[in-house]
Amino acid sequence: EVLLVESGGGLVQPGGSLRLSCAASGFTVDSNYMSWVRQAPGKGLEWVSLIYRDGNSYYADSVKGRFIISRDSSKNTVFLQMNSLKVEDTAVYYCVRRVEYWGQGTLVTVSS
Amino acid sequence: IVMTQTPLSLSVTPGQPASISCKSSQSLLHNDGKTYLYWYLQKPGQSPQLLIYEISTRFSGVPDRFSGSGSGTDFTLKISRVEADDVGVYYCMQATHLQTFGQGTKVEIK
Repeated sequence: EVLLVESGGGLVQPGGSLRLSCAASGFTVDSNYMSWVRQAPGKGLEWVSLIYRDGNSYYADSVKGRFIISRDSSKNTVFLQMNSLKVEDTAVYYCVRRVEYWGQGTLVTVSS
Repeated sequence: IVMTQTPLSLSVTPGQPASISCKSSQSLLHNDGKTYLYWYLQKPGQSPQLLIYEISTRFSGVPDRFSGSGSGTDFTLKISRVEADDVGVYYCMQATHLQTFGQGTKVEIK
């Protein structure tokens, strides 16, 4: 059974950093492409970042230069390092395997 | 790529059909010959769930009341007979050029 469990969310001040984790089971993260998608409170879905099997990574313009996606095959986990956080980064962050399996999400709140 | 959904909200009588349109700002036909257009339903308080992949193929467990069609830049999701369990927000998403979501269409029952 495919399972994705996000963690690492919380309250952080503007300019701060957080690292989100997505622990996967039922498959290996380096044999699939993995994405992060976010949803601001009461808003729609926004793609944030993805990492392909070959390790190439891509970012939405809104987070480019501030967020870094990575994976650790030994832990079967995908990460999202978020730096220089802004109030507008406040959202539930979902981890997604390819397009079909989503985690339950982790809430990131950026506020002073 | 910009994905534009219409309508943004829909109120449907149970048993009646519903249709949602999704238009992309450029063709979603990939160099490999596939079109990476997906439809999701996000029920209240839940993560999005995949309904349709590559325009028209229903994901595992999705009732045949749901169907997808289209090509190039114009796509449609149809529900043949809406049920109470179908309420939520429907999103189209393209994955031909990285990923982009439509704004969402909120479906409620009359």
